[in-house]
This record gives sequence, structure tokens and C-alpha cells, in this order.
Amino acid sequence: QKEVEQDPGPLSVPEGAIVSLNCTYSNSAFQYFMWYRQYSRKGPELLMYTYSSGNKEDGRFTAQVDKSSKYISLFIRDSQPSDSATYLCAMISMDSSYKLIFGSGTRLLVRP
Amino acid sequence: DSGVTQTPKHLITATGQRVTLRCSPRSGDLSVYWYQQSLDQGLQFLIQYYNGEERAKGNILERFSAQQFPDLHSELNLSSLELGDSALYFCASSYGTDNQPQHFGDGTRLSIL
Repeated sequence: QKEVEQDPGPLSVPEGAIVSLNCTYSNSAFQYFMWYRQYSRKGPELLMYTYSSGNKEDGRFTAQVDKSSKYISLFIRDSQPSDSATYLCAMISMDSSYKLIFGSGTRLLVRP
Repeated sequence: DSGVTQTPKHLITATGQRVTLRCSPRSGDLSVYWYQQSLDQGLQFLIQYYNGEERAKGNILERFSAQQFPDLHSELNLSSLELGDSALYFCASSYGTDNQPQHFGDGTRLSIL
């Protein structure tokens, strides 16, 4: 079983829809959570960075962390065709073997 | 623009050869990380350097090595290349280590023929 599970998609939605992207994880040592957006032929771009359980909002993006359920989400409001990309969740564990683990990514397509 | 610069953008070479990938971190960042991204494996952490010293090792093959120089740029050396080494290689940087978010360059696409 992978430490971080993410549905690869693709997820296809119409423009203006609310998008929900999710990751689950198994290691309770994960303490820091990130969402990256990756366009084709580009490097991952940091979107959100959170530490504690709860919500963090930045413009149309909201990151949600539920440590008790080992579940994180990224919500995109009023989705745009320019949001079409692969979204990767990432987590940092703070046990003795510090490491950053990425999910496999979810491909999102926002149709005009 | 993340501020992380990787060169070259694309490398084409043959099996058995050796290549060097270069990364310049964001101004002020002390940590450099190398990742391999392939279609079937996703983004895999290879190795991290912090201020010139190796900090953490991931799934890096013995044929691969890296170093970080006094000016903080880093190089990833890949030798005895195999077809399976074809992938995107990303460099990321952060100010510190441990819990710092990482910022990625646009990668080097390595194609082994």
C-alpha cells in the first residue's frame, strides 16, 4: 500500500464548477501538507501549504486537512479552463526519517 | 517563475553514457532536492543537499550521484545510462530543510535511445 493515495483521474468538469481533489495517507507522522499544480512540460508549482487540521483559503483555492481521518482536500471554486493541469498532493513526515512524499497526481480538465 | 533554473531542458543520449544535469536554486535557498518523474512511478525523491552537505537520500541508484557547490548550485550525475532512466528530472529548492515548502524548476527531460 502506498503511503499517499490519490485518484489519478482524469476529472472532467464544466467551467465554473466547484472541483474537489483529495488524498488519503496512512502515516500519522505526516505533519505538513502541500498542493502543487503541474502543467504539461512544466515543474510542479506550489499552490497551498498547511500545517494543522482545518481550512486554509487563498483566492479560489481552499485546502482542507483532517488529520483524524488522514484525509486532505483541495477545493477550486469557479473553475477555469486555465486550471486544467495535474494536481499533486505532498506531505512531509516529521519522524526520524524526514521525507517528502508526493501523491501520484490527479489530472483535471475544465471544459469551456 | 519559481526562480529555480535547470539546464539543459532536454538531453538525448545513448545507453551506457554519462550525463550531468545542473540546477541553480532560488536566491537565498540553501537546500536543493532532486526528483525523478516517470509515467509509471510518479515523482520520486532522489537526494537532498543542504548548504553543501548531503542531508537526505531517497530512491537514488548507485549509478547516480549529486553534489552541491559553494555557490549552492547543484549537479546530478547519471552514469551507465539505461533505457529505464528516461524520465523528467526535477530540481527543487527551499530556504531551510525539514518543514520548508519546496519550489521546483521546469525539469530536464532525459531521453535514452
